[in-house]
Formats: sequence, structure tokens, C-alpha cells
Amino acid sequence: DAGVIQSPRHEVTEMGQEVTLRCKPISGHNSLFWYRQTMMRGLELLIYFNNNVPIDDSGMPEDRFSAKMPNASFSTLKIQPSEPRDSAVYFCASSFHLGAGSNNEQFFGPGTRLTVL
Amino acid sequence: AQTVTQSQPEMSVQEAETVTLSCTYDTSESDYYLFWYKQPPSRQMILVIRQEAYKQQNATENRFSVNFQKAAKSFSLKISDSQLGDAAMYFCAYRSATGAGSYQLTFGKGTKLSVIP
Repeated sequence: DAGVIQSPRHEVTEMGQEVTLRCKPISGHNSLFWYRQTMMRGLELLIYFNNNVPIDDSGMPEDRFSAKMPNASFSTLKIQPSEPRDSAVYFCASSFHLGAGSNNEQFFGPGTRLTVL
Repeated sequence: AQTVTQSQPEMSVQEAETVTLSCTYDTSESDYYLFWYKQPPSRQMILVIRQEAYKQQNATENRFSVNFQKAAKSFSLKISDSQLGDAAMYFCAYRSATGAGSYQLTFGKGTKLSVIP
């Protein structure tokens, strides 16, 4: 299995530009998570989907952030317009969620390092 | 809401020696999972070990073991026979075993482990 795939691995953009981060979860997984990692705040959950439906987006910082999952094998996280404080590493993770009491191990992608100048 | 605290921002260990990383958490739940993740310089998040709260026996994975003290809400990671490849950031994480929280991982801020040759 190829694991969770994220693209691009690195993104450098200027303030005000639109940024789109992409994620392909592990085939067969039904849950997908977007995390943001910064030195100051550590790893934060932004949003997660179950069966392509957003379940909880309370971690999305502002309206400038949006996430979609049009099908089971693809998700995007978009920032428009981007700001320097959005600079961070963004991780996508996926899992097969059987139910509350089950393993549901999350597998992480390699992350996208975003720099907004 | 659950919180996870790692009180040691940095630690170091001599190669072949043993080191223990600390983690405490706060929850009102009785059923949950605890995890240790490793993040090497490559940024990839790797699951090291998992503990189910209902299990009294401490989890072990080769050189990695945990000391799970449920009453004290403590979950430390012991690395035996430390190797240079163990150098990384280590994150403690919590996940509920019930309800909507069973999707979400809550992470500590991490401990940076250095291994001295």
C-alpha cells in the first residue's frame, strides 16, 4: 500500500494567494483528517470527514480555510487568501473507523510544508 | 475537553541507555486510548505504541514500553537500548473510545529526544 499521499510536499506562496493542499487517503479507509502543526500550537485537528461527509470542522481557524472531500479517494484543503501566519506543516491522515470502541488507527501522510511570504 | 501534557520539551540519552518520556492527560472519561507517535526529521508521523485504558497490562513493542497509571492519568514511554534512529520528536496522544470523540486524536506538545553516540 502506498500510504497516505499528500501534495505538494512543499509550497511557498505570497500573502493573498490561494493555496490548495491535496490528499489521497489509504484505499478502503472511510475517515480522513486534516491537521496543522506549528511550533507554538503543536498538532491541531482542523477538520475530519467520515464517508466523505465533514463531521467536525470546529478546528478550522477562519473562513479563509475550507476543505472538501468529493469522493473517497481525494480531499483538498484550501486557504484563500493566504496569510503569513498560515505558515505551518499540514498533515492529512486516514483511518478505517469501525466504531467508537475499535482500533481506528490513524495513518499520517508526509505532510505539506507551507510557507506564506 | 481532554488535554495532554508533555512536561519535557527536550531530553537526551546516551546510546544504548534507557530513557523515559513523560505524559499526563486530563479526562473525565473511563474508556479511551493512549498513543505515542514518533516524528523523525522526515516529518512522517509514526505510531510507536498504543494502550487501551481498560487494559491493566502495560503495552510493549520491542524496545518500547509504557507505564500506564490510570488513576494518576499518567502514560510514560520507556525506550530501552536507545539507538541513534530513535532521535525524533515524540508525541503523546489521547483518543476517546466513545461517541464523536472516538474520531479525534488530541496531542501533547511533544518531547524532542536526542541520542548521543
